[in-house]
Order: sequence, then C-alpha cells, then structure tokens
Amino acid sequence: GAVVSQHPSRVICKSGTSVKIECRSLDFQATTMFWYRQFPKQSLMLMATSNEGSKATYEQGVEKDKFLINHASLTLSTLTVTSAHPEDSSFYICSARDRGARPEQYFGPGTRLTVT
Amino acid sequence: GENVEQHPSTLSVQEGDSAVIKCTYSDSASNYFPWYKQELGKRPQLIIDIRSNVGEKKDQRIAVTLNKTAKHFSLHITETQPEDSAVYFCAASRLISNLGNEKLTFGTGTRLTIIP
Repeated sequence: GAVVSQHPSRVICKSGTSVKIECRSLDFQATTMFWYRQFPKQSLMLMATSNEGSKATYEQGVEKDKFLINHASLTLSTLTVTSAHPEDSSFYICSARDRGARPEQYFGPGTRLTVT
Repeated sequence: GENVEQHPSTLSVQEGDSAVIKCTYSDSASNYFPWYKQELGKRPQLIIDIRSNVGEKKDQRIAVTLNKTAKHFSLHITETQPEDSAVYFCAASRLISNLGNEKLTFGTGTRLTIIP
C-alpha cells in the first residue's frame, strides 16, 4: 500500500515552454502533497505544500507564478513549470501523506526535467 | 524555521562494519524524525523513524537514537552490506495534528559506500 506515482518520469523541453508534472496517490487519499526539487548531489528542497481544494503554500524564494500547483482531488496534484529555463532543469519529486494515518511521507519516483 | 545539519557528508565503511550518521536540529518543537535512503535516480524511501517520546528504536540492522536535550539524533547501521550503499537523509518535523500538512526539513545527506 501507500504508492505514489509521478508522470512523466523524464521530460525534455525547450526554453520558454511549460511542462506539467502529475503526482498521484494510488491507494490512499492525500489531503496534502508536497513538491520538492533536488539538484544533483544535493538534498531535497521543499518548494510548496499542496492542499486539496485550496491554494498551495510556497516556500520562501519559490515563485508561485512560475511553479503553478493544483491539487484538484484527494489523489492528484500537478506542478506546472511555466516558461521553463535551463536553470529549472532538476529532479522534481512529490510526496503525499495518508490523511489521518502515520506521519510518513510517501514519495513519488521523481521527474527528471531537462530544459534545453 | 527548522534547520537540520547532517554529518558526515560521505562515509566509507568496510562490509560487515557499522556505520553511524548524525544529525542535529534547531527547533525544540520538532517531534518526528524520519530517515530516508535514496539510491541514485530513485525516490527516497523511509527506513526508520522515531518520535520524540522515544529515545531509541531498532529495526533489524538499523537503529535510531534521539537526544531531545541536545537536539540530535543518529542512524546506526550494523553488519553493513553492499546494498546499504546509498545516500541517507535525516529529516525533522513538528507534528501538530492529523491534518498532514506539517512539512519535513531535510538534512544535507550522507553518501554511504560499503567497501566489499
């Protein structure tokens, strides 16, 4: 149980275009999902906390107009990187917490974004 | 906000020996401390966690100890095996309710290499 999927696993896009990444909890309901960015050989940096039915809470320094988050249902959150630039190239990972259960965050497999 | 420091950044251990990774946190209100293992290009996976009402927890070859007074916690891996080679992250969180939106603050990671 407690499986989180992420799509796509890899994406290459041209500078200036937008990319949407989906995060799904497959066998549980996730009131809250988290979006992280991880650069090579670095730690996970929280970008935003996504709550179902409400606006996301962004961490300091993360541009909310550039990284659009939509938590449309209890099993789906999306991250759209708008007007992507090469410096946005990174490994994006989502996680979800099972509402009312253990505090553990279950991570998706990640999306490798390369902006050319 | 919370700040988590992790040491060492790299650790090489002979197969069969023990490995210890240490973390310190700054927020005395943090009460949940998970450890994640991440293999290259993969998702972080929870290997053990501890809450602040417990001083030590063990799961087979893995143990975590917590010193609330000193605000540090450690991961201990005994009888190390080649498959233990990975990057390990500690994290801290302040759990308040079952709403699930409390965020994790991650340490900088430790690259553990088990030498056969």
